[in-house]
Amino acid sequence: ETAVFQTPNYHVTQVGNEVSFNCKQTLGHDTMYWYKQDSKKLLKIMFSYNNKQLIVNETVPRRFSPQSSDKAHLNLRIKSVEPEDSAVYLCASSSGTGVSAETLYFGSGTRLTVL
Amino acid sequence: GDQVEQSPSALSLHEGTGSALRCNFTTTMRAVQWFRKNSRGSLINLFYLASGTKENGRLKSAFDSKERYSTLHIRDAQLEDSGTYFCAAETGGYKVVFGSGTRLLVSP
Repeated sequence: ETAVFQTPNYHVTQVGNEVSFNCKQTLGHDTMYWYKQDSKKLLKIMFSYNNKQLIVNETVPRRFSPQSSDKAHLNLRIKSVEPEDSAVYLCASSSGTGVSAETLYFGSGTRLTVL
Repeated sequence: GDQVEQSPSALSLHEGTGSALRCNFTTTMRAVQWFRKNSRGSLINLFYLASGTKENGRLKSAFDSKERYSTLHIRDAQLEDSGTYFCAAETGGYKVVFGSGTRLLVSP
C-alpha cells in the first residue's frame, strides 16, 4: 500500500535548468526526508524536516532547496541542474517521536537525468 | 566517513538454504532498519529495531547498539527473496544512514 507519493516518476532536462520534485505523505507523519541514490545505488541523506522545520542538511550544494508547505508535503527544488545531479531522488516519511526517527516509509522515487 | 558498513555486497543462495547479512557501525546507533527493494524499485520495510531481536516468517533481525552491529538472517530462502537488501541506522536527530546494500540471488 503506497502512502508516500512522489511526482514525477521520471524527468529529463538539460544542464542549467530548474527542476522541482513533489512529495506527499498520507500517513500523518511529522518527519519527511529526501535521499539521493547515485549510480552505485548508494543512498545518501540530503535533508530531513520535522513539522516543517529543517533538521538535517547534509552538505548538499546550495542549488538544492527543500520546500515544505505543511508537514505532509516536502518538495525538492534544484535551481540549476548539473550532470552529477542525475540520480534517483527518494522521499520518505516517519512518525519521528523526538527521540528517534522511527520506521521510514519510502516513495517510489523520481529518476532525474541531466543531459 | 562511512558510518554503516554492510556485508556481503553480494550473496548467492540455493533454495532452502540460509545465510546472514551484517551491518557494522562506526558509532553508537539509536536504532536500525532493514529494507528490501522490491521489483518496482521501492524500498519496503522489513524490520525496525531499537534493541534485541525480531522475527517475521523466515527473516530474523538482531541489533546490538553496544557492540555496534545488526544482522538479518534469512532461512529457507525462496526464489522470491532475491533482491537488494539495505540496512539503515539512526545516528540521532532524524539522521538515518544507509548501508551500501546486499544483492541476494536465490537460485533453484
